[in-house]
Formats: sequence, C-alpha cells, structure tokens
Amino acid sequence: QVQLQESGPGLVKPSQTLSLTCTVSGGSISSGSYYWSWIRQPAGKGLEWIGRIYTSGSTNYNPSLKSRVTISLDTSKNQFSLKLSSVTAADTAVYYCARGDNWNDRFDYWGQGTLVTVSS
Amino acid sequence: QSALTQPASVSGSPGQSITISCTGTSSDVGGYNYVCWYQQHPGKAPKLMIYDVTNRPSGVSNRFSGSKSGNTASLTISGLQAEDEAEYYCSSYTSRSTYVFGTGTKVTVL
Repeated sequence: QVQLQESGPGLVKPSQTLSLTCTVSGGSISSGSYYWSWIRQPAGKGLEWIGRIYTSGSTNYNPSLKSRVTISLDTSKNQFSLKLSSVTAADTAVYYCARGDNWNDRFDYWGQGTLVTVSS
Repeated sequence: QSALTQPASVSGSPGQSITISCTGTSSDVGGYNYVCWYQQHPGKAPKLMIYDVTNRPSGVSNRFSGSKSGNTASLTISGLQAEDEAEYYCSSYTSRSTYVFGTGTKVTVL
C-alpha cells in the first residue's frame, strides 16, 4: 500500500521560503507510471494545484505560482520536495502531496496534509 | 487559471439521488476526458471517487457515477447515505498541461 507523508516547518515568516518534503513508502518514486504533485487548501477554501514533477525531472506548475515554485525529486530517499519563495499570509494553507497516475491522470494517493502558517 | 464552477451546496434525503455539476471551458473539462471527482470529509485528505469522467476506482461504491456533456461534468450519488455527507471537488486536466480544481460542493444529507 502506497503511503505519502508530508514534513516540514509549520511556521514560516513572510518573505521567506516555504520548504516541504513528501516521503513515499510502499512504492518507488522512480516508477515511470506516475508523477508527483503538490496541492494546497487554505482553511475553509477549495483545493489549488501547485505543480507536479515526473520521474524524468520534468515539471509543470500552476501559472499563478510558477515564478515562486520549485518542485524537485530525490530518488535516493524516495522523496520529492516543494519550495515556495517570497511567501505571504495568502500562502497559509494545508499542503498535500499526492501521486498522479500517468495513464488515467488521477491523484490516487494523498498524504494526510500539513498545515503551514505564514506569520511573523 | 480559473477554478471550475460548482454549486456551493446540494442536499438530499437518505435514499434519494443528487447531482453535482462542474462547469469549465473547452480548454479543460470540454477538451479532455480527464475529469476526476474527490470526496473530502472535514480534516481529512481528499479521496478519489471518479476518474476519466466515468470510472470508479476499486473499492468505491457503485452509487457514485460520473458523466460529461460539453464543458460540464456531473457527479451523481444515488441512494444517498449519511456517510456521503462531505465536500466534493471536481478536477480537470487543462490545455496548459496543468490541473484545475472546482470550487467545491458541500453535500448535506437531510
């Protein structure tokens, strides 16, 4: 059974960089059948797709966040990471990592989510 | 990219059927058969309920079904049960190789 677990600081200061890691267990992050995504949800609001990375290292990002986002892969640790720069209070949200299926374009496994608050 | 449009809330009595709509554009919902539906209970991660417009993952009740016409996709829940009370989100692949989610619909079982 594939499991994903987010980790990282729960509090980030404005203008700094938010950094999160997703650890994948029960399957290899190097499998070409999947891609790896980050999705966030502000309290009481809807889901927002942040971006994805393929095992090749190729990425796609939400146009509204593209200038501030970097997603990377560490196959040796079976992890992928999110960096979001120049954060503001508007970036306060629960951040989820998820596995995407290349064949069906679906997010079939999700982490439990981690709350990141941007505040001084 | 703009969020797909869903009704804010839908309600029904136990045993009834309800339908949730998800309206996008020809650049997302209308252009691809990559529409998914997710169920989210409070404080929990979303759960995949429908993928590729009409397909159910293993383990998802056949009371959940999906369809699409033009730029609008729909999720129908038949035989509504108390456990179906949750927030539901649609999502779609887009022409920019990105994904967009819907605004979310709160389903209430009366």
